[in-house]
Amino acid sequence: EPEVTQTPSHQVTQMGQEVILRCVPISNHLYFYWYRQILGQKVEFLVSFYNNEISEKSEIFDDQFSVERPDGSNFTLKIRSTKLEDSAMYFCASTGHWGWFRETQYFGPGTRLLVL
Amino acid sequence: GIQVEQSPPDLILQEGANSTLRCNFSDSVNNLQWFHQNPWGQLINLFYIPSGTKQNGRLSATTVATERYSLLYISSSQTTDSGVYFCAVEQKTSGSRLTFGEGTQLTVNP
Repeated sequence: EPEVTQTPSHQVTQMGQEVILRCVPISNHLYFYWYRQILGQKVEFLVSFYNNEISEKSEIFDDQFSVERPDGSNFTLKIRSTKLEDSAMYFCASTGHWGWFRETQYFGPGTRLLVL
Repeated sequence: GIQVEQSPPDLILQEGANSTLRCNFSDSVNNLQWFHQNPWGQLINLFYIPSGTKQNGRLSATTVATERYSLLYISSSQTTDSGVYFCAVEQKTSGSRLTFGEGTQLTVNP
């Protein structure tokens, strides 16, 4: 079964450093997402991406965050200057359809980010 | 935004017992998914169920969209069922983002 993959699985960084989290969505999917989960809390939406542009973002997704689809397979989340409160599990998700037809969002295994 | 409430917050069972987890949501939805978060933190898709009933082995789910709730049934529970179960919904009027509930922490003891 096709799956969403994410790298790295774990990342430790110093406060103020830039990090890039990488995702490979399912190959024929068109809609991509990033979510995060602070330890012990629920999963929160960050941003959705379609047709090479952001389609929706949450209030969490401020100027420190950016997303990019640099080629035909990767989808990245960049945090420019990490803060302690950015420590969380970051999930990438993808889905095949939108509009009137809805489909399952498939989630990757996550990247656990720890900011020291 | 839409509110998603899950109950109970915590549930402890003996192996072999059955359980029902509930998810209430405050507005009309296009999509509802149930996930199991395993001890490694991975979110495992259980069901995509915006309406109706589905079954997969010992698990089944029912969503009554008109009454804005969904139920996840676990029968003959096993220790490997332990973890957090999340309900997530896509509100009809706010794009395709999923809004998650707080989850139900399930512990199945041998």
